[in-house]
Amino acid sequence: DAKTTQPNSMESNEEEPVHLPCNHSTISGTDYIHWYRQLPSQGPEYVIHGLTSNVNNRMASLAIAEDRKSSTLILHRATLRDAAVYYCILRVGGSQGNLIFGKGTKLSVKP
Amino acid sequence: KAGVTQTPRYLIKTRGQQVTLSCSPISGHRSVSWYQQTPGQGLQFLFEYFSETQRNKGNFPGRFSGRQFSNSRSEMNVSTLELGDSALYLCASSYASGQGRHEQYFGPGTRLTVT
Repeated sequence: DAKTTQPNSMESNEEEPVHLPCNHSTISGTDYIHWYRQLPSQGPEYVIHGLTSNVNNRMASLAIAEDRKSSTLILHRATLRDAAVYYCILRVGGSQGNLIFGKGTKLSVKP
Repeated sequence: KAGVTQTPRYLIKTRGQQVTLSCSPISGHRSVSWYQQTPGQGLQFLFEYFSETQRNKGNFPGRFSGRQFSNSRSEMNVSTLELGDSALYLCASSYASGQGRHEQYFGPGTRLTVT
């Protein structure tokens, strides 16, 4: 079962930063935090993952709280192409690495 | 590098029939995972294959099976189709298996409709 909590939907304006929150209060020390997104009519797309430290890549940044019970995916400048469902996934340490998707956050971007 | 490809993209079958879906992973990737996506249940893990061996399996009935070939291409088979099997079937490939599968690359999916 998914162990993350995300808002059902969020709205953003184009070219503004977007902060997508995720709560994972039952996280354990070896659990990885993954983010994927799914654009309309496409398969999910890997965005970023982290364990303890904040992470940056070309797509986004991942800010992880010090107690690791929450994290935030940051899109620095939203574009219309960023409109998608964003999934925060807790990948249990010691597991076989399967992704257990929750319902995600549907992000709408307004021009 | 070409992405994950899935064939066919769309399929219509009748209850009781069987179906085979195909997935070609990214070149060099040896792990292939299959997922089912429905409006009600969301995305659910079916199984993973690595080096022609099933590494782990989700909570689906035995009617769902798969295999992987020596070139890492994978097929998924569903026998005795039920209406509830109508879904988008997604394949994902990754270089590593198990815990190392941080980045999974998904194909566009096969939309299966069972009538």
